Amino acid sequence: QKEVEQNSGPLSVPEGAIASLNCTYSDRGSQSFFWYRQYSGKSPELIMFIYSNGDKEDGRFTAQLNKASQYVSLLIRDSQPSDSATYLCAVNGAGGSYIPTFGRGTSLIVHP
Amino acid sequence: SAVISQKPSRDICQRGTSLTIQCQVDSQVTMMFWYRQQPGQSLTLIATANQGSEATYESGFVIDKFPISRPNLTFSTLTVSNMSPEDSSIYLCSVPRPGGVNTEAFFGQGTRLTVV
Repeated sequence: QKEVEQNSGPLSVPEGAIASLNCTYSDRGSQSFFWYRQYSGKSPELIMFIYSNGDKEDGRFTAQLNKASQYVSLLIRDSQPSDSATYLCAVNGAGGSYIPTFGRGTSLIVHP
Repeated sequence: SAVISQKPSRDICQRGTSLTIQCQVDSQVTMMFWYRQQPGQSLTLIATANQGSEATYESGFVIDKFPISRPNLTFSTLTVSNMSPEDSSIYLCSVPRPGGVNTEAFFGQGTRLTVV
């Protein structure tokens, strides 16, 4: 059974700090990796995706993938109170499946 | 990208009744997914709606309880039947990026269901 594990948090960081969110996955054949942000009462929205080992940067966000360790992370630099949300890690592509598997999400609180 | 219109956005229903949730996508997509998200929890896949065939249900979800229709490539409905308070949850429809595989998911606005 495919599993995606995340620490539920909450992760609390001060404004301006770097928030580091982590995710591990069980299926070594996974091919695509995604981070979604979900504000309370809203549906998830895509923040980052990454397909290859290494880092991918987009503005204040950096996704990191290490397939050997089956590990994905999301770094948020210069965290803002507006970044306070739940961050969901999702993985798909294992075994030819197009259905994403979601982690339970990490709650991030950025305090002023 | 894909824009999904989901309705209703919320409803309060009596136990024993049924509610049908609709999702309309602005593009043709092969697969549509229906999720349930209980408070503080992640997304649990209910079923995959396939156009022209029966939906594929995940373990723990059955067609009699959650019948799904998929009459064309842009529309689907999920019905929550014979509701009980345990069905109170947020229900989300989702599609992958049109034309892509192993791509990001787009979500409807969600339906917040309360069963009393």
